[in-house]
Amino acid sequence: SQELEQSPQSLIVQEGKNLTINCTSSKTLYGLYWYKQKYGEGLIFLMMLQKGGEEKSHEKITAKLDEKKQQSSLHITASQPSHAGIYLCGADLGGTASKLTFGTGTRLQVTL
Amino acid sequence: EADIYQTPRYLVIGTGKKITLECSQTMGHDKMYWYQQDPGMELHLIHYSYGVNSTEKGDLSSESTVSRIRTEHFPLTLESARPSHTSQYLCASSEFGQGAFFFGPGTRLTVL
Repeated sequence: SQELEQSPQSLIVQEGKNLTINCTSSKTLYGLYWYKQKYGEGLIFLMMLQKGGEEKSHEKITAKLDEKKQQSSLHITASQPSHAGIYLCGADLGGTASKLTFGTGTRLQVTL
Repeated sequence: EADIYQTPRYLVIGTGKKITLECSQTMGHDKMYWYQQDPGMELHLIHYSYGVNSTEKGDLSSESTVSRIRTEHFPLTLESARPSHTSQYLCASSEFGQGAFFFGPGTRLTVL
């Protein structure tokens, strides 16, 4: 079974709309990382969350880690075509920051 | 922007060839990783290293091998490529005990 589940798997939104992507684990998320990937390219680091209840924002993207540290959400406000891509959550499930386990990814399309 | 490089970016080769995928980082990071990404977007850890002369196999079994003779360099070698090795290979690095993992642009390998 997948240790890190992402939902939805794919998402099509109209430009200007808000959206949320979720990342859930049955294990404690000692560190939770959000990345964005353009097709065929590497991963661009967006944000890292470590403390329960932590919330970080960068431009129109906000990421949160719940108090139990088992779920994170990524929220995009007023989406733009530049937000299109694949969003991946990665987590330190061992507590040692030694390696990341990744979710299944969410493919986001933004229509005009 | 992270200073981590991968070459080649794209490679098409025939079955049975030996290939080496290069990965270099200029950030002085101790930890380096190789992930394999399937078309379904999920990333799987195949090798990692905590420093010079340290290499470990990851969560996904792989026929590839790695070496870490210098801190900045973490090449991956396939002795005899097969069509089943066709995939996107992503290299990453992080500072020991610290947060963010930085990824290279990836190598897309196609074995005919």
